[in-house]
Amino acid sequence: DIVMTQSPDALAVSLGERATINCKSSQSLLYSSNNKNYLAWYQQRPGQPPKLLIYWSSTRESGVPDRFSGSGSGTDFTLTISSLQAEDVAVYYCQQYYASPLTFGPGTKVDIK
Amino acid sequence: EVQLLESGGGLVQPGGSLRLSCAASGVTFGDYALSWVRQAPGKGLEWVSHIGISGGNTYSADSVKGRFIISRDNSKNTLYLQMHSLRAEDTATYYCATQPEGLYRHMDVWGKGTTVTVSS
Repeated sequence: DIVMTQSPDALAVSLGERATINCKSSQSLLYSSNNKNYLAWYQQRPGQPPKLLIYWSSTRESGVPDRFSGSGSGTDFTLTISSLQAEDVAVYYCQQYYASPLTFGPGTKVDIK
Repeated sequence: EVQLLESGGGLVQPGGSLRLSCAASGVTFGDYALSWVRQAPGKGLEWVSHIGISGGNTYSADSVKGRFIISRDNSKNTLYLQMHSLRAEDTATYYCATQPEGLYRHMDVWGKGTTVTVSS
């Protein structure tokens, strides 16, 4: 199974400041035939279901604010919130869809400092 | 707007069975593959099972293989998860989610979830 790890476990950022979440996979998520990274990011606000933010490691889902961006390739990925807003308080998960079983990272909790 | 609505959760004794449903609206159901994902109380997300667009391809996590059966009825726009031999560790909120094209894709629309509690 592909193991996903995230760092940090939690972070607190001031409103308007940048938040950076890292995700690492135990094997490469880059599929050579299409040069795509099979990595998604989800946001889960308290009491809510997960919401897709980013797929193919850097493609923003329709309707997601452009302060959210994804980067990285291979085994190392980053989700950046460029200017934290109050509504961004949530747990963020990365997920690989390169191989079965599909696996998620343990999550990173983002709070306001 | 695509909407998914799960139902069928509840309290069940260990060893019991339960069938979850996920009704879709606002989407051509037959155009999407689907997965079930669960979340134990206070824990992270765990993929459970996937079914392809036609229903012919199914995949499951080892933790539920042989106990859970995923199926779909495209004429009713509904996804199912038949759960047998339930254990305490199956206690979770179960979400259904659409996946464009197949298993190796992101999950773009999620339902609000239905809660399963396995306890005597």
